[in-house]
Amino acid sequence: DAGVIQSPRHEVTEMGQEVTLRCKPISGHNSLFWYRQTMMRGLELLIYFNNNVPIDDSGMPEDRFSAKMPNASFSTLKIQPSEPRDSAVYFCASSFNGLTLTSQETQYFGPGTRLLVL
Amino acid sequence: QKEVEQNSGPLSVPEGAIASLNCTYSDRGSQSFFWYRQYSGKSPELIMSIYSNGDKEDGRFTAQLNKASQYVSLLIRDSQPSDSATYLCAVKKGMNYGGSQGNLIFGKGTKLSVKP
Repeated sequence: DAGVIQSPRHEVTEMGQEVTLRCKPISGHNSLFWYRQTMMRGLELLIYFNNNVPIDDSGMPEDRFSAKMPNASFSTLKIQPSEPRDSAVYFCASSFNGLTLTSQETQYFGPGTRLLVL
Repeated sequence: QKEVEQNSGPLSVPEGAIASLNCTYSDRGSQSFFWYRQYSGKSPELIMSIYSNGDKEDGRFTAQLNKASQYVSLLIRDSQPSDSATYLCAVKKGMNYGGSQGNLIFGKGTKLSVKP
């Protein structure tokens, strides 16, 4: 199993530019999560999809951020326009949601995309 | 009160000692608790999960849960330099969170350093 795949692994861009991050979840997983990690705020959930449908986007910072999941094997997180405060590591994670409280819904994380906005 | 709190450390222990990592959480409805390990520059990886009060052992790792005190801990016996990493406590949101039920809330992590 290739695990969760993210691209690009590193991105350096200038303020105001559009940034698109990509994620391929583990085959068979039905839940996908986008996280952002910074030293100050730790690991924060941005948005969560279940069966390709956005379930909780309360963590999306503002309208500059958008996420899509057109099919079970692909998701994008877009920032437009980007700002220096968006610099962080963005992780994608996937899991199989068994819809039971005690099921072990392990989230498997991708390698992350390190974003630097100048 | 923060939803999931951890001492940021760094926690420094000598090789072979027991490392004790602690976490408190605010949601009494939470039923599932996880410990993730994150090496510098890498992604988090799950090392332990616990759902019931008491201890759960897996090799050198023991997770302890006390729901009454809203406290979960991770003990690492015979600590090795390779255990040096940041340990993230994660709590699964309970049913009172409505639509976001089931999402994980992460603490900021405790950095562990095991000295040879």
